[in-house]
Amino acid sequence: SQQGEEDPQALSIQEGENATMNCSYKTSINNLQWYRQNSGRGLVHLILIRSNEREKHSGRLRVTLDTSKKSSSLLITASRAADTASYFCATGANSKLTFGKGITLSVRP
Amino acid sequence: EADIYQTPRYLVIGTGKKITLECSQTMGHDKMYWYQQDPGMELHLIHYSYGVNSTEKGDLSSESTVSRIRTEHFPLTLESARPSHTSQYLCASSEVLVIGENEQFFGPGTRLTVL
Repeated sequence: SQQGEEDPQALSIQEGENATMNCSYKTSINNLQWYRQNSGRGLVHLILIRSNEREKHSGRLRVTLDTSKKSSSLLITASRAADTASYFCATGANSKLTFGKGITLSVRP
Repeated sequence: EADIYQTPRYLVIGTGKKITLECSQTMGHDKMYWYQQDPGMELHLIHYSYGVNSTEKGDLSSESTVSRIRTEHFPLTLESARPSHTSQYLCASSEVLVIGENEQFFGPGTRLTVL
């Protein structure tokens, strides 16, 4: 079964609002990564958090990792219409990445 | 934009045809990957390579084959395409880390439709 599982499956918010997406996983990891995919395109790496880190920031992105709960969250602050995309968490272990099914984020102008 | 390229972007072919999906990167990365992704679904790793002359099967069984003769080139071949092969195929590359898995850079993908 898949390693990373995102929640919710779909999220629709107004421009300017914050978007929070969650990811849970089952086994031990070396790191957890978040990617964005625009419709019909490849994935773009957003942020990587290592297993010994608890929080990381990059611009409007904030990611947290709780290894005791095997979960991570991605917060996008002050969302923009251009943030509309699918977001995937991926867990890194055994020299491979395992991706979840993704969250579809729609930001209404 | 990452320096990783895939051709063709779209391909519609008939059953039984042999096809090769091209992937090349100019970043000098040793590790390269092929993923298969159906619409709205997760990515499944079907092949990966640690470097020249190295190829490994991924988590999802696939009838495709790959080769790695040059660092920058990682083509995927289907000897006889079938409708069940209809999907999006994504190529990616990454640097090798001592511990853990580094970020992966993705190409734009090839959307394959087999009639």
